[in-house]
Amino acid sequence: NAGVTQTPKFQVLKTGQSMTLQCAQDMNHEYMSWYRQDPGMGLRLIHYSVGAGITDQGEVPNGYNVSRSTTEDFPLRLLSAAPSQTSVYFCASRGDYEQFFGPGTRLTVL
Amino acid sequence: RKEVEQDPGPFNVPEGATVAFNCTYSNSASQSFFWYRQDCRKEPKLLMSVYSSGNEDGRFTAQLNRASQYISLLIRDSKLSDSATYLCVVTAGRRALTFGSGTRLQVQP
Repeated sequence: NAGVTQTPKFQVLKTGQSMTLQCAQDMNHEYMSWYRQDPGMGLRLIHYSVGAGITDQGEVPNGYNVSRSTTEDFPLRLLSAAPSQTSVYFCASRGDYEQFFGPGTRLTVL
Repeated sequence: RKEVEQDPGPFNVPEGATVAFNCTYSNSASQSFFWYRQDCRKEPKLLMSVYSSGNEDGRFTAQLNRASQYISLLIRDSKLSDSATYLCVVTAGRRALTFGSGTRLQVQP
């Protein structure tokens, strides 16, 4: 049982580049979400989805897009990377009782 | 004001000590409460849920005070392996989880 997987684990981008962070879960959870974690800021919600075809904005959505074409996958797209997007990104999948996190993607934008 | 506030610490305690963390939340509609543990450079993992009546899991005790809008986590007989950051988490029904910034615990030999 893989749980929540994320790729890549590490990424360095230049300002203005775009990229997609991949997230997949094999628990058949409807609810998935993306967070970013910065020192002293805790986890902040970027976007979330309550099921295939349904997404919504969280606390800090600017500069990011998401889509949910299947229950399993929930990719996060950075449209034009900025240094302020340097962070650790966690994807999460939520069941009835517990929210499971992926191992994270450490992103640096130069 | 942050929705969920925690003392960032660090709490430096010797092995065997008892340590307590508090967390306050601002949304009175919050319904579910959790403590997550996060090890350095790892993803958060559920430590325990917090129930209105209080609950215990081994050395860990969680309590909720709805009137004052705070939750607490008590760790007895601290172990070196308890060193981590403890995240307070609240949610209102099926809405997204809201995380505190975390309290760092360092247990020393």
